[in-house]
Amino acid sequence: QVQLQESGPGLVKPSETLSLTCTVSGGSITSYYWMWIRQPPGKGLEYIGYFHYNGGTNYNPSLKGRVTISADTSKNQFSLDLSSVTAADTAVYFCARAFRYDSSVYADFWGQGTLVTVSS
Amino acid sequence: DIQMTQSPSSVSASVGDRVTITCRASQGISSWLGWFQQKPGKAPKLLIYAASRLRSGVPPRFSGSGSGTDFTLSISSLQPEDFATYYCQQANSFPSWTFGQGTKVEIK
Repeated sequence: QVQLQESGPGLVKPSETLSLTCTVSGGSITSYYWMWIRQPPGKGLEYIGYFHYNGGTNYNPSLKGRVTISADTSKNQFSLDLSSVTAADTAVYFCARAFRYDSSVYADFWGQGTLVTVSS
Repeated sequence: DIQMTQSPSSVSASVGDRVTITCRASQGISSWLGWFQQKPGKAPKLLIYAASRLRSGVPPRFSGSGSGTDFTLSISSLQPEDFATYYCQQANSFPSWTFGQGTKVEIK
């Protein structure tokens, strides 16, 4: 069974870069889509972006070029960098695996999530 | 962006009740819709994909239907472990996923 675990600082200062890593076990990141999704406290879910070994990366346009997702296949990890953060970026950040079904994609395995607070 | 609107925003129900949640897309998304269950402090769990396909291991009391713009998630006989928040997610315009705002199923 695939397991995902997020890691990284829980507190980031405004204007700095939020950096998180997702470590995957029980499956290789050279298959499937590997996603980042966030959830502000008490609010709904927002897609951030994905990495796909053969398909590259994609990011939510609403994050205006602040996002970079990269991967280290030797460690079976993928990472999120979100630059120039503000309080609006305070959220629980989830990493997830997603599978393709026909022309659509669904996230079937998720990490437990990690709360990142943006504050000075 | 495709907007997803769920109703109701919350519902109070008793164990054994049938519960139905609806999700409407701002434009047609064929059958490319998923339903998730989320409990407090936990990650979302995929229940249904492609509008009506039950994910392996999900109890059959959960079912999904719909296509185009209107979709439903039904729980045929509510169990204590089903009290949670449910989200729909459109997968038509991947990677531009969007989620509904959530429906909280509470104990009456």
